[in-house]
Amino acid sequence: QVQLQESGPGLVKPSETLSLTCTVSGGSVSSGSYYWSWIRQPPGKGLEWIGSIYNSGSTNYNPSLKSRVTISVDTSKNQFSLKLSSVAAADTAVYYCARDSIVPLWGQGTLVTVSS
Amino acid sequence: EIVLTQSPATLSLSPGERATLSCRASQSVNLAWYQQKPGQAPRLLIFDASNRATGIPARFSGSGSGTDFTLTISSLEPEDFAIYYCQQRSNWPWTFGQGTKVEIK
Repeated sequence: QVQLQESGPGLVKPSETLSLTCTVSGGSVSSGSYYWSWIRQPPGKGLEWIGSIYNSGSTNYNPSLKSRVTISVDTSKNQFSLKLSSVAAADTAVYYCARDSIVPLWGQGTLVTVSS
Repeated sequence: EIVLTQSPATLSLSPGERATLSCRASQSVNLAWYQQKPGQAPRLLIFDASNRATGIPARFSGSGSGTDFTLTISSLEPEDFAIYYCQQRSNWPWTFGQGTKVEIK
């Protein structure tokens, strides 16, 4: 059974780069026809799609974040990653990773706080 | 960008009542529905507008096509009081609705 687990620092300083990793267990990031995605949810607010990467390496990003976002895949570690640069308090959120197919599968999420 | 508008924002109902949630899209899409409880990740309920995900009770049903979609909970159980989101993955950027909160009356 495929599972996804987010990991990374829970606290990031303003203007720095947020870096998160999603580890895939029970399956391979390089097999199948999947999009590997990141979604976030600020405290008390709704869900926001950040971006996705396809198995081929092609990426799509939310235009509102595109200038600051990079999503990549590391097949040797069976992981995919999110980097969000120049963070501010508004980037404080629970960050979820997901395997997107006809039936999406999400991780449990990790809270990242942006504060000095 | 496709905008998903969910209504109502809040639905106040009693256990055993029927809940009808709406999601309207600004363009024709295909849709998924999620349930989220406090402190938990969203749980997939419905994919491709009307297909129940594995393990989802039959009281949850999805309908609609094009731009108008409905999530129906036929008889609310205590554990169904939560926030519900619709999502489209038909066009980039993928988008979510703002959510409907189903609360106990």
